[in-house]
Amino acid sequence: DIQMTQSPSSLSASVGDTVTITCRASQSVSSLLNWYQQKPGTAPKLLIYAASSFQSGVPSRFRGSGSGTGFTLTISSLQPEDFATYYCQQSYTTPHTFGQGTKLEIK
Amino acid sequence: QITLKESGPTLVQPTQTLTLTCTFSGFSLTTTGVGVGWIRQPPGKALEWLTVIYWDDDKRYSPSLKSRLTITKDTSKNQVVLTVTNMEPVDTATYYCTHLHYDNRGYSYWGQGTLVTVSS
Repeated sequence: DIQMTQSPSSLSASVGDTVTITCRASQSVSSLLNWYQQKPGTAPKLLIYAASSFQSGVPSRFRGSGSGTGFTLTISSLQPEDFATYYCQQSYTTPHTFGQGTKLEIK
Repeated sequence: QITLKESGPTLVQPTQTLTLTCTFSGFSLTTTGVGVGWIRQPPGKALEWLTVIYWDDDKRYSPSLKSRLTITKDTSKNQVVLTVTNMEPVDTATYYCTHLHYDNRGYSYWGQGTLVTVSS
């Protein structure tokens, strides 16, 4: 299995800040890396697929980058609705493994 | 508009078999490149990928659970069925049915999830 490691596990920030979450794969996943946002009690929502492509309706303040084994999700100008848990996932090969999640909290 | 909805028991006893049905609309599981997957999340924990079935009936499973999982599809009914044998308390989780975008480009639509509790 490809192991996905996210950092940090938790993060405190203020509205208007810019934050970056990192995801590292134990082997290359090419560009097949996805980012999801999950709010309490709801299903995850796909934000970014194929490392840097926006899912329809996702605000442009979310930006994904990277390839191979290293990826980042950057959220600019944080809005109150952005405080949630974020997961990376590789869909390069099955099992389509997830990272352990990054909880973004309001400072 | 793509929608998916999970249905099945909310409580199962240890050693029993869990059967969940995903009923979907807005896409066809005969379309090249498309898949339907199952992902679960124990309370307060991370997402865990379980299995996916593709348009061509290719099926993939989590290696750690492979012996206990079966996924099937009924394209005429727009349904995908997941069975998990020998359920244990550690299998207590919210189970999500998901639409896999073509060419493995992310799970783009999710059902609301169904919480399955394993307890006697």
